[in-house]
Amino acid sequence: AQSVTQPDIHITVSEGASLELRCNYSYGATPYLFWYVQSPGQGLQLLLKYFSGDTLVQGIKGFEAEFKRSQSSFNLRKPSVHWSDAAEYFCAVAAPPNFGNEKLTFGTGTRLTIIP
Amino acid sequence: DAGVIQSPRHEVTEMGQEVTLRCKPISGHDYLFWYRQTMMRGLELLIYFNNNVPIDDSGMPEDRFSAKMPNASFSTLKIQPSEPRDSAVYFCASSLPRTSGSLWNEQFFGPGTRLTVL
Repeated sequence: AQSVTQPDIHITVSEGASLELRCNYSYGATPYLFWYVQSPGQGLQLLLKYFSGDTLVQGIKGFEAEFKRSQSSFNLRKPSVHWSDAAEYFCAVAAPPNFGNEKLTFGTGTRLTIIP
Repeated sequence: DAGVIQSPRHEVTEMGQEVTLRCKPISGHDYLFWYRQTMMRGLELLIYFNNNVPIDDSGMPEDRFSAKMPNASFSTLKIQPSEPRDSAVYFCASSLPRTSGSLWNEQFFGPGTRLTVL
């Protein structure tokens, strides 16, 4: 079974500073990887996804993530954060789908606080 | 499209009462997912449906929980009897049908129902 670890429960970053959120996965092969964002009182929104190919993927809102097979990691980055990026961020993993296997396994999330 | 619609947004009930959470998926989506989010356990998949048929209910915590999807535009998650440990935010999500060549279809989440059981 797949699993996801987000080692940082809470991160505080100054507005304009760079950001990196960590994600490590456990799976026997290369899974499908995702980052979601949850703003307060809202549902989850997909930021980006990785299936295969180029290990650096671009997402919405200026986010990117890099897949590193050797480290079983899929860290999320942004060069310069904005106050509106304050939210909770979830890494998720899915097995390369066979028909009917649509399960997503989420990490426990990282809460991002932005300070002026 | 209005997105995934959940009701109620907030529910406060007393232990032992029956609770019913409702979800309307995005029109044309034939996968529907129920998740539960708690501080202790994070976001967990409870059950998901394809074409109104439950495919995987291995995440349903116990017999007090049941989910139905009587038609393509409506699903319910029922807890009977409710307990304080059921307090959580319950999310519904839906996604498009899989087509030839599609690797994955994005799950679109509703705003959630915050359940408090006293």
